[in-house]
Amino acid sequence: NAGVMQNPRHLVRRRGQEARLRCSPMKGHSHVYWYRQLPEEGLKFMVYLQKENIIDESGMPKERFSAEFPKEGPSILRIQQVVRGDSAAYFCASSPSGDRGDYGYTFGSGTRLTVV
Amino acid sequence: GDSVTQMEGPVTLSEEAFLTINCTYTATGYPSLFWYVQYPGEGLQLLLKATKADDKGSNKGFEATYRKETTSFHLEKGSVQVSDSAVYFCALMGPGGFKTIFGAGTRLFVKA
Repeated sequence: NAGVMQNPRHLVRRRGQEARLRCSPMKGHSHVYWYRQLPEEGLKFMVYLQKENIIDESGMPKERFSAEFPKEGPSILRIQQVVRGDSAAYFCASSPSGDRGDYGYTFGSGTRLTVV
Repeated sequence: GDSVTQMEGPVTLSEEAFLTINCTYTATGYPSLFWYVQYPGEGLQLLLKATKADDKGSNKGFEATYRKETTSFHLEKGSVQVSDSAVYFCALMGPGGFKTIFGAGTRLFVKA
């Protein structure tokens, strides 16, 4: 009975490298959301995806960040040429199909990215 | 745009004390309201929700009532335990929307 699975749990990258974060939604969920949490701050929306579609990427930085949710496999959040300011916890959440507010999200345990 | 404001922490209580964490929101229409809890090193877990005015969400002894007139959704618990120590996030989802907006979180410490 797996929930939302994120990997890796911890990721260390040097400045300029690429970071690739993976998220497998809960079984039966077709909507995926990525959020970023800076230390001692709340969660900031980044992107909302359905299979093969980006629905809303209004929270994504315009450069270096991209996300996908292919027909097969996990959703991927990709950060190119990482900088120290990218250090944060990145959380993925999923929900059942539909856009009604009846459903809350199911969150993964997050990937903690540290850029050195 | 939509927003959520919750009381700053940390909140420190003794075991069995009464808990209130204030949350107010700004939104058009009638959003759905949520409380999430985050334990150290983990993701957020949905604690309770309310989808329309005057609804009361409840779970594990926590409750919150959707107050349209005061645009509030305060979290309460009658008797906290040490195991309730965590960060609590108030959140909203606009009507017909999909994006959840989170407050900044309130850290709760409960002392034995």
